[in-house]
Amino acid sequence: AQSVAQPEDQVNVAEGNPLTVKCTYSVSGNPYLFWYVQYPNRGLQFLLKYITGDNLVKGSYGFEAEFNKSQTSFHLKKPSALVSDSALYFCAVSSNNAGNMLTFGGGTRLMVKP
Amino acid sequence: DVKVTQSSRYLVKRTGEKVFLECVQDMDHENMFWYRQDPGLGLRLIYFSYDVKMKEKGDIPEGYSVSREKKERFSLILESASTNQTSMYLCASSSGSYTEAFFGQGTRLTVV
Repeated sequence: AQSVAQPEDQVNVAEGNPLTVKCTYSVSGNPYLFWYVQYPNRGLQFLLKYITGDNLVKGSYGFEAEFNKSQTSFHLKKPSALVSDSALYFCAVSSNNAGNMLTFGGGTRLMVKP
Repeated sequence: DVKVTQSSRYLVKRTGEKVFLECVQDMDHENMFWYRQDPGLGLRLIYFSYDVKMKEKGDIPEGYSVSREKKERFSLILESASTNQTSMYLCASSSGSYTEAFFGQGTRLTVV
């Protein structure tokens, strides 16, 4: 069975500082990794994905994520946080061995303070 | 613009009622998913479907069933609603395991 862990329930960062939201995964086969964001009272929005190739992937709103196969991690990063980045962030995984099942982590709330 | 539409944003039902949550996508996607979202528990997969009339159980299928008679529509059925099924329900669709999923706005279901 595949799984995703987001070890931090909440991450606090000051505006202008870099941010990291952590994600580790477990799958059999090749992982396909995703980050989504949820603003209050909204559905989930796709941010970025890793399928293959370059380990550093860039996505929407200045976010990027680094795939690390040896550490089975896919951490979300941004060089300079904005107050408007405050939201709930979810990491998700599927694989070439799990049919089309998409499994999410527990979510991390990002709070960016002015 | 791509769209996943859930029939209701808010729903209040009584214990024991049969409840239908409807989801429609206009992207001709093969895969459709039902998740429930609870504080501290993230998104948990209830069921997903990879083709018409095909379904697979997710992590928490107990107390739920699903129906996919047409490619664009995926229904979640609560056979006999209970208070522990009070939650936010999210529908999603995707075209494959390596493509992003698109989500509906969610249905907040309260069972009283």
